Amino acid sequence: DQQVKQNSPSLSVQEGRISILNCDYTNSMFDYFLWYKKYPAEGPTFLISISSIKDKNEDGRFTVFLNKSAKHLSLHIVPSQPGDSAVYFCAARRFGNEKLTFGTGTRLTIIP
Amino acid sequence: AAGVIQSPRHLIKEKRETATLKCYPIPRHDTVYWYQQGPGQDPQFLISFYEKMQSDKGSIPDRFSAQQFSDYHSELNMSSLELGDSALYFCASSSPGGVAGSSYNEQFFGPGTRLTVL
Repeated sequence: DQQVKQNSPSLSVQEGRISILNCDYTNSMFDYFLWYKKYPAEGPTFLISISSIKDKNEDGRFTVFLNKSAKHLSLHIVPSQPGDSAVYFCAARRFGNEKLTFGTGTRLTIIP
Repeated sequence: AAGVIQSPRHLIKEKRETATLKCYPIPRHDTVYWYQQGPGQDPQFLISFYEKMQSDKGSIPDRFSAQQFSDYHSELNMSSLELGDSALYFCASSSPGGVAGSSYNEQFFGPGTRLTVL
């Protein structure tokens, strides 16, 4: 039972344009969401997070939007840079529970 | 800045053998998490420890056990290895203080141990 889903396994975006990565979840008990970036041979690196009491969180080029009613979140990267090429994982957690539930990841490729 | 250290980085074992994976958290981090990522799959939570006590348990087989030691490092012991245990095993750690302005403790991941069972 995949509680966190990333329906696009891959995405290619031109350098300088906006990259939009999507994530859907099914468990309404999730109240905190995170995006991790992963390069080959490295562990996931925390990028940005959002609490369920917010609908937007911004950090530099990265913005995460949360639509609770649709159980959907998205990560916007603008402008996209070649170094952004990586696999991006969406993750979620429940209040009072430390473990993360991950999505299957989206491989983002930025085309120079 | 110091990161999470995992050893070994690569491990090759035969079926029915045992394996021990080690994780050294970021200094002053008191919570350790173990995740398993199979080929083409998302990381799956196995088990976590807080102050040397098991704090949560996920889809960890009975053949696996883990513990956290007094210096906060953790070891994942895997016995009677099966072909399906071949995966990337990540360890993550978090601090008691968490991120400023947040009640949640962010998890910082190590580079992983790639286990191959032949």
